[in-house]
Amino acid sequence: AQSVTQPDIHITVSEGASLELRCNYSYGATPYLFWYVQSPGQGLQLLLKYFSGDTLVQGIKGFEAEFKRSQSSFNLRKPSVHWSDAAEYFCAVGVLFSSGSARQLTFGSGTQLTVLP
Amino acid sequence: DTAVSQTPKYLVTQMGNDKSIKCEQNLGHDTMYWYKQDSKKFLKIMFSYNNKELIINETVPNRFSPKSPDKAHLNLHINSLELGDSAVYFCASSQRLGADTQYFGPGTRLTVL
Repeated sequence: AQSVTQPDIHITVSEGASLELRCNYSYGATPYLFWYVQSPGQGLQLLLKYFSGDTLVQGIKGFEAEFKRSQSSFNLRKPSVHWSDAAEYFCAVGVLFSSGSARQLTFGSGTQLTVLP
Repeated sequence: DTAVSQTPKYLVTQMGNDKSIKCEQNLGHDTMYWYKQDSKKFLKIMFSYNNKELIINETVPNRFSPKSPDKAHLNLHINSLELGDSAVYFCASSQRLGADTQYFGPGTRLTVL
């Protein structure tokens, strides 16, 4: 069965510092990978996604992520964090349903980002 | 314009009651989903509908019954609410079955007392 691991439950960085959030997946085929962000009391917003092609993908709000097949990883990065980036970040893998008819998302447990002034 | 909306945003109720959560999307999408987010922020899919047809039905108690009156709406009815049903429920939609980008609603926080 597919699974997604986000090893860091909580990360704290200073504003202006760089950020890397880790995500590892387990899936037998080529995965479709996503990063979503959830601000307090809000729904999930898509930051970026990887389907195929260039393994470095750019997203909104200055985020990027790199797919590394050999490491089964899809880490999220940002060179300079802003206070407004404080939120919960979820990595997800899109997998085919057992019938082959749908592609459901399996989420990691999330990483809470705190940004210090 | 709100893409995926849910009502109510908060729902507090007693054990044993029956309640419904409504979801609407104005994106013209064919596929809609219900997710449950527990107190540890873990997100798990519950149901998926495509063109009003149930596609995914994960291991969910049969007290939970989704209903899709049309492609733009997917409601969730819960019978005989239990304490363990307390969670945030998210509705989402995607352009078509098998399409991979899902758009989420703001969530409904259900508290069962």
